[in-house]
Amino acid sequence: QVTLKESGPALVKPTQTLTLTCTFSGFSLTSDRMRMGWIRQPPGKALEWLARIDWDDDKFYNTSLETRLTISKDTSKNQVVLSLTNVDPVDTATYYCTRIAHSYDSDGFLFYYFDFWGQGILVTVSS
Amino acid sequence: EIVMTQSPATLSVSPGERVTLSCRASQSLRSNLAWYQQKPGQAPRLLIYGASTRATGAPARFSGSGSGTEFTLTISGLQSEDFAVYFCQQYNSWPPLYSFGQGTKLEIK
Repeated sequence: QVTLKESGPALVKPTQTLTLTCTFSGFSLTSDRMRMGWIRQPPGKALEWLARIDWDDDKFYNTSLETRLTISKDTSKNQVVLSLTNVDPVDTATYYCTRIAHSYDSDGFLFYYFDFWGQGILVTVSS
Repeated sequence: EIVMTQSPATLSVSPGERVTLSCRASQSLRSNLAWYQQKPGQAPRLLIYGASTRATGAPARFSGSGSGTEFTLTISGLQSEDFAVYFCQQYNSWPPLYSFGQGTKLEIK
């Protein structure tokens, strides 16, 4: 059974660094082709992908936030960590940890989707 | 950057009806599209991937179709538990970017 759970502060002050941890079970991030990511959703708004980390430690970021984001993993603890620096009230959102699955279309092109999600953690940025 | 547009923003329907939600991409996605359902206070749940493959546990009344730039999610025989927000999602290979539509909210008529 795959489970993911986010943890971290509920309230962060502007200009501080937000650090979130995802603790997961039911699979290993050391397995070939395993990938995980973070997505956020401001209240009442759409979803925004933030970052991805792969089994081989490749990392990818949303280019609009790349300078402020860092993703890392601790495979011994089954954890993925996301840091967001210099937060602002616009960063107020529910942050989700996800597992990323992949498949191929009929012509062999690769695509990805988010097959398991954590429950999310609401982070408010306010002084 | 590929822009995803969902329509309509809100749809009022009655239980038992058949409903079709639309997702349009600004560039061709081939069949690289997923659909998610989100209920209030919950995380999104994967329904469809690869435009038309139902995810494990997704009820058979949910079906996806389309390719290129036009995609649809059809729910046949709406159940009370289907009233939620539905998002479509695409993957762009380089630079890696996953983007979502703005969502369609299904509400009870």
